[in-house]
Amino acid sequence: SQQGEEDPQALSIQEGENATMNCSYKTSINNLQWYRQNSGRGLVHLILIRSNEREKHSGRLRVTLDTSKKSSSLLITASRAADTASYFCATHEGAAGNKLTFGGGTRVLVKP
Amino acid sequence: DTGVSQDPRHKITKRGQNVTFRCDPISEHNRLYWYRQTLGQGPEFLTYFQNEAQLEKSRLLSDRFSAERPKGSFSTLEIQRTEQGDSAMYLCASSLPPGRKNNEQFFGPGTRLTVL
Repeated sequence: SQQGEEDPQALSIQEGENATMNCSYKTSINNLQWYRQNSGRGLVHLILIRSNEREKHSGRLRVTLDTSKKSSSLLITASRAADTASYFCATHEGAAGNKLTFGGGTRVLVKP
Repeated sequence: DTGVSQDPRHKITKRGQNVTFRCDPISEHNRLYWYRQTLGQGPEFLTYFQNEAQLEKSRLLSDRFSAERPKGSFSTLEIQRTEQGDSAMYLCASSLPPGRKNNEQFFGPGTRLTVL
């Protein structure tokens, strides 16, 4: 079973609006990462937030992490049609645990 | 292109046949990972290598699956006696060792397997 669970599973917005998606996880983590996947393609790394960080920005992306609630959120501001993709959170459990554990993803559709 | 490459990109096979996929990681990355992704789901970890050593295998990796990385560079994933349930996207990723750039994993484009 997957550790991370994204919410919502799907999101449809108009271009220019903000998109927010959430991720919950179950175990202690070293860091949490967000990836984007365009239809039928590989994953593109967006942003990484460490367990001792609470918020991080990268361009139009803003990620928060609340380790007490074991949750994270990804905000995409001023969305564009090119942001249409699936977004996945993935947790990294530490130096010994090298694998990433992914959630089920949020499918975002940005309508022009 | 200096990213992770995978070959083939698509493979259609009949049930019971064997298939082999190849992954070429980023050259200075000593860690290589295999994941499987079914439609509408997130990727699931299968196995990973540090150099040529296979250090962890998921219980998803049944006896019909075998992965190798003989020289610590490219890796192959073989599935024997394929079943329809093996139909999925097989993703390869590579990364630097721990402590270097947060272990960010760089993914290849994937090999989409369809078992008829």
